[in-house]
Amino acid sequence: AQSVTQLDSHVSVSEGTPVLLRCNYSSSYSPSLFWYVQHPNKGLQLLLKYTSAATLVKGINGFEAEFKKSETSFHLTKPSAHMSDAAEYFCVVSERGGGNKLTFGTGTQLKVEL
Amino acid sequence: DSGVTQTPKHLITATGQRVTLRCSPRSGDLSVYWYQQSLDQGLQFLIQYYNGEERAKGNILERFSAQQFPDLHSELNLSSLELGDSALYFCASSASGGAVDTQYFGPGTRLTVL
Repeated sequence: AQSVTQLDSHVSVSEGTPVLLRCNYSSSYSPSLFWYVQHPNKGLQLLLKYTSAATLVKGINGFEAEFKKSETSFHLTKPSAHMSDAAEYFCVVSERGGGNKLTFGTGTQLKVEL
Repeated sequence: DSGVTQTPKHLITATGQRVTLRCSPRSGDLSVYWYQQSLDQGLQFLIQYYNGEERAKGNILERFSAQQFPDLHSELNLSSLELGDSALYFCASSASGGAVDTQYFGPGTRLTVL
């Protein structure tokens, strides 16, 4: 069975400093991995996805993530946080073979302070 | 705006009642997914339809049912409602339903059961 573990439920950074949101995955097969963001009272927006091409994936709004098979990790980073980045971030795994069921992590709430 | 629409935006009802949530996928997408987001369970996959046929099933209760119509819109029916069914229900759509497909999420329907 597939699963993801988001290692921090809350992360707080200052505006202009780097962001690191950590995610470890477990999958029997070659996974597809995603990061989604949810702003307050809004739906889920895709930030980026990994589907076995380049291991360093660039997404929207300056975010990127690196797939590390040896560490079973898919951490999300951004060089410089902006106030508008404050939101909840979900690491998500999809396992190949039959449908496209997404399994979500428990989420990381990112707070950006002045 | 993802292109996925959901109605209604909010729904307040009483225990024991039945409600129907509606979803229209992005133009051209054949696959529709339903997810439930609650405080205690997080984001959980309920069910997937592809071109009118059920493709994958997740943690969907027997009191819940869904279908996808010939025009590809989908409805999620929740019956014999309990307090614990109060949650945000998301619909998502994707082009073909494969594991590498990106799922685009609607804004959600917030269900409150009193």
